[in-house]
Amino acid sequence: KQEVTQIPAALSVPEGENLVLNCSFTDSAIYNLQWFRQDPGKGLTSLLLIQSSQREQTSGRLNASLDKSSGRSTLYIAASQPGDSATYLCAVRGADGLTFGKGTHLIIQP
Amino acid sequence: DADVTQTPRNRITKTGKRIMLECSQTKGHDRMYWYRQDPGLGLRLIYYSFDVKDINKGEISDGYSVSRQAQAKFSLSLESAIPNQTALYFCATSGRLSGPSSYNEQFFGPGTRLTVL
Repeated sequence: KQEVTQIPAALSVPEGENLVLNCSFTDSAIYNLQWFRQDPGKGLTSLLLIQSSQREQTSGRLNASLDKSSGRSTLYIAASQPGDSATYLCAVRGADGLTFGKGTHLIIQP
Repeated sequence: DADVTQTPRNRITKTGKRIMLECSQTKGHDRMYWYRQDPGLGLRLIYYSFDVKDINKGEISDGYSVSRQAQAKFSLSLESAIPNQTALYFCATSGRLSGPSSYNEQFFGPGTRLTVL
């Protein structure tokens, strides 16, 4: 059964810093990996989708990488802003469907 | 913009009551999903449907049932609600791409907060 782990569980950094969120998964037989953002009490907003054949995807200040063979993905956030404060979720799609990590709770200090 | 909507957004009910949560989408997607989110457990898949006549159980389907009334509508029912079904429920959709890799991005609704007393 696929397991997805996100490290760290929580992170607090000053505004302006670059930061990296980590996601690891146990079964490398995946179709794709998706990063989401969730604000308190709200739904999930899709940030980036990486197909299994891709190595990275970029959107604005966000860059996600995928190393399928080692079961790892990172989400890089450049020049962090207070509005980036949220919980970031990683999810991998395999034969059993989408499996989520428990998220990294990010706080950007003004 | 195309959207995934869920009703109700909040619901408080009592043990033993039948509850229906509804989801509708204007994205034209063929695939729809129901998840629940619990603190410390993350999101878990309850049921999913790849088409109107296709219904599949997810990881935690016990105590739940679904109905795909149309391509755009997918409802989740709790036949006899119990307190441990208190959670945040999300509906999601995705579209089928052509070609061998037909799995793509999932889009989520705003969620329904359900409390069972």
